[in-house]
Amino acid sequence: DAKTTQPTSMDCAEGRAANLPCNHSTISGNEYVYWYRQIHSQGPQYIIHGLKNNETNEMASLIITEDRKSSTLILPHATLRDTAVYYCIVRDNNNNAGNMLTFGGGTRLMVKP
Amino acid sequence: DTAVSQTPKYLVTQMGNDKSIKCEQNLGHDTMYWYKQDSKKFLKIMFSYNNKELIINETVPNRFSPKSPDKAHLNLHINSLELGDSAVYFCASTYSGRFSYNEQFFGPGTRLTVL
Repeated sequence: DAKTTQPTSMDCAEGRAANLPCNHSTISGNEYVYWYRQIHSQGPQYIIHGLKNNETNEMASLIITEDRKSSTLILPHATLRDTAVYYCIVRDNNNNAGNMLTFGGGTRLMVKP
Repeated sequence: DTAVSQTPKYLVTQMGNDKSIKCEQNLGHDTMYWYKQDSKKFLKIMFSYNNKELIINETVPNRFSPKSPDKAHLNLHINSLELGDSAVYFCASTYSGRFSYNEQFFGPGTRLTVL
């Protein structure tokens, strides 16, 4: 699986949009971009994923650049409960034995009142 | 209606002991996993298991062994516990069918402390 690069930490004001970047410059054509988050003392939680089109669900939006070398996770109206570590992961769903996830260091998002 | 549950939540034990952590999922998934999160908060895959194959991360010592009595359970057995085994262990599950998103659902974690 390709590696990802994320900022170590970010702050966001409550109620504002949180934009979390991720670089995956070595991503291959079959690899998807997944986002998970881990709230303190809990297990990781799936947020969203995409291949090349932008995606939106009830939790967030995922913007993937046209060359697919980077992406941005957007939390449109961040709340204090969104404070967590956010992980960007790339994975080939078609050729990943066991569909295992390889977590990097993630971005620690602190939402402040 | 917990989707993925683990027991116990906390486990404190002495070096050299053998212990087990249990995991159950009620989502009808066909693949289960164990992850380890160490004190530096890095999450590492240990095992992936479905009814067809067990995939082991090559860095996992053979003192660790997953055992699956049925599709809904994947227990983790650890022999001869060492200080370095202290960590939070997470179980996860997914449906790995052809049209699946392969979204993984994680349990709440088991904090293991080896003294």
